[in-house]
Amino acid sequence: AQTVTQSQPEMSVQEAETVTLSCTYDTSESDYYLFWYKQPPSRQMILVIRQEAYKQQNATENRFSVNFQKAAKSFSLKISDSQLGDAAMYFCAYRSVGYYGGSQGNLIFGKGTKLSVKP
Amino acid sequence: DTEVTQTPKHLVMGMTNKKSLKCEQHMGHRAMYWYKQKAKKPPELMFVYSYEKLSINESVPSRFSPECPNSSLLNLHLHALQPEDSALYLCASSHQGRGYTNEKLFFGSGTQLSVL
Repeated sequence: AQTVTQSQPEMSVQEAETVTLSCTYDTSESDYYLFWYKQPPSRQMILVIRQEAYKQQNATENRFSVNFQKAAKSFSLKISDSQLGDAAMYFCAYRSVGYYGGSQGNLIFGKGTKLSVKP
Repeated sequence: DTEVTQTPKHLVMGMTNKKSLKCEQHMGHRAMYWYKQKAKKPPELMFVYSYEKLSINESVPSRFSPECPNSSLLNLHLHALQPEDSALYLCASSHQGRGYTNEKLFFGSGTQLSVL
């Protein structure tokens, strides 16, 4: 079975600084997807960034980028130029490549990292 | 319209009550999902509907009864719940079919349920 581990329950960053959130996972599959989701106080889960395991290039989305190390089974999220609106719970998630109905929703989440941004 | 709308936002119910949670999307998604999220925990998948048919039931107790009356609506009927069922219930949707295996999930803001 696949597992996802986030070893940092809480992190803090100064506004405009850079912070890195860690995530490791365990799987025997060779192809899969990895995600970072953000859950602000509004409670809505928002997709931050997605990485396909077969792609060697690290995904980037504006101020958000990942460091994907497939051999090490590591998937960290870097937030540059942190903003007050980045304060939220961040979940790392794994999904197998599936072709059955609704496979997109079969996510394995880590326990989350609560990020605080100081003005 | 890229929203998933959940109602009500908050619900308090007794253990003998019957209530329903509602989820609606108008993005043409044919897969819809219910998740349960306890405080300070990640979401856990409960049910998956694909083309209005239940495709995954993650061994959820029968006091939770899902229903997908059409491609835009997803309901979760609640009956005889226990206090430990108090949680945030999140709905999500995504595209289905060939070419959509990597499609993103769109989440609603959830219904915060308290069972007294």
